Amino acid sequence: QQQVKQSPQSLIVQKGGIPIINCAYENTAFDYFPWYQQFPGKGPALLIAIRPDVSEKKEGRFTISFNKSAKQFSLHIMDSQPGDSATYFCAARSPGNTPLVFGKGTRLSVIA
Amino acid sequence: GAGVSQTPSNKVTEKGKYVELRCDPISGHTALYWYRQSLGQGPEFLIYFQGTGAADDSGLPNDRFFAVRPEGSVSTLKIQRTERGDSAVYLCASSAGQGALNYGYTFGSGTRLTVV
Repeated sequence: QQQVKQSPQSLIVQKGGIPIINCAYENTAFDYFPWYQQFPGKGPALLIAIRPDVSEKKEGRFTISFNKSAKQFSLHIMDSQPGDSATYFCAARSPGNTPLVFGKGTRLSVIA
Repeated sequence: GAGVSQTPSNKVTEKGKYVELRCDPISGHTALYWYRQSLGQGPEFLIYFQGTGAADDSGLPNDRFFAVRPEGSVSTLKIQRTERGDSAVYLCASSAGQGALNYGYTFGSGTRLTVV
């Protein structure tokens, strides 16, 4: 049973658009929700992360929106660029340094 | 080093052979994680070390998989009697560990294992 469900599987947007990637979880013990970006041939790289005591976090063009009651969180990329084309993974973990569990990923293509 | 280093970057082996995959974490990072990533999927947890000991090995698929971290730094993932289904990218990550303010993992670029 997948602990973090991510959608959509793939996404194509025009340059300047705002892609939105969604994740849902069931385990209410999760207390840390990061997003990772992965380019082909590379390992995932931490992009931005949020804890459940805030509803939104922004870092540059990347924003996480968090809805604790719905057990959902999403990644928004403002003013998307072709260089943002990559696979994005949401993840979650419980307290106590337990390992991250990842979604299946969203392949984003930003076309000029 | 500045990042997590994994060697080799690619490994092709014959079915039934034994392989070792190496991970050199960021200096000072006490926590080390192994994940496996199949094509088009997210990373799947295998095993986690805190220092020298395996704190959680619940993700290892069977007893053909084993990992060690004898001095609390470099780790080796060992796969015996490899099967074609073991083909995947094996990712290693390290973090500052329990109690650190930053939970973030730093991943290596992975070892792409192909069993033929």
